Amino acid sequence: QLQLQESGPGLVRPSETLSLICTVSGGSIRNSDYYWGWIRQPPGKGLEWIGSLHYSGNTFYNPSLKSRVTILVDTSKNLFSLRLDSVTAADTGVYFCARELRGSGSYYYYMDVWGKGTTVTVSS
Amino acid sequence: SYELTQPPSVSVSPGQTARITCSGDALPKIYVYWYRQRSGQAPVLVIYEDTKRPSGIPERFSGSSSGTMATLTISGAQVEDEADYYCFSTDNTGNQRRVFGGGTKLTVL
Repeated sequence: QLQLQESGPGLVRPSETLSLICTVSGGSIRNSDYYWGWIRQPPGKGLEWIGSLHYSGNTFYNPSLKSRVTILVDTSKNLFSLRLDSVTAADTGVYFCARELRGSGSYYYYMDVWGKGTTVTVSS
Repeated sequence: SYELTQPPSVSVSPGQTARITCSGDALPKIYVYWYRQRSGQAPVLVIYEDTKRPSGIPERFSGSSSGTMATLTISGAQVEDEADYYCFSTDNTGNQRRVFGGGTKLTVL
């Protein structure tokens, strides 16, 4: 059974870089059928897509975050990572990683398996 | 930019039918997906490709889509269905931007 686990610092200082890892178990990240994504949720607010990556290196980012976001894959460790630069308090929230599957007969992907999420607070 | 619009809240009594709507210009051409998020938990997929139900999701959950509006229906809502529900789709203009609706708080009491 596929499982995803987010990990990383729970506290980040303003203007610094947020770095998280999503470790994939029970399946290989080197599967051409899937993308792997990051989603976040500010306290008391809705879900926001951050970006998605294919193990080949192809990536898509939310235009509103694109200048600050990097998502990378490490196939040898079966994990992918999120880097968000120059954070502010507005980046505080729960960060989820997820597997993305392509819809039938579609070019587009959706999240079918999620990690439990990790809370990140941006504060001095 | 592409947006999906949901009502902020829906309230029903146990046993009643709850309907949550999601509107978006691209919905006639692209699938919509629905997620349930209970308090403090990760989202769970309850409807995919407009109308399909994943294994393990009760039959009382169903989805439909017509024109620019998609609907999640919970027939005979139960107290355990109380949660936030999000619709999801993708901007079909070629940039592969994933988009969530703003979410609907379903209250069952």
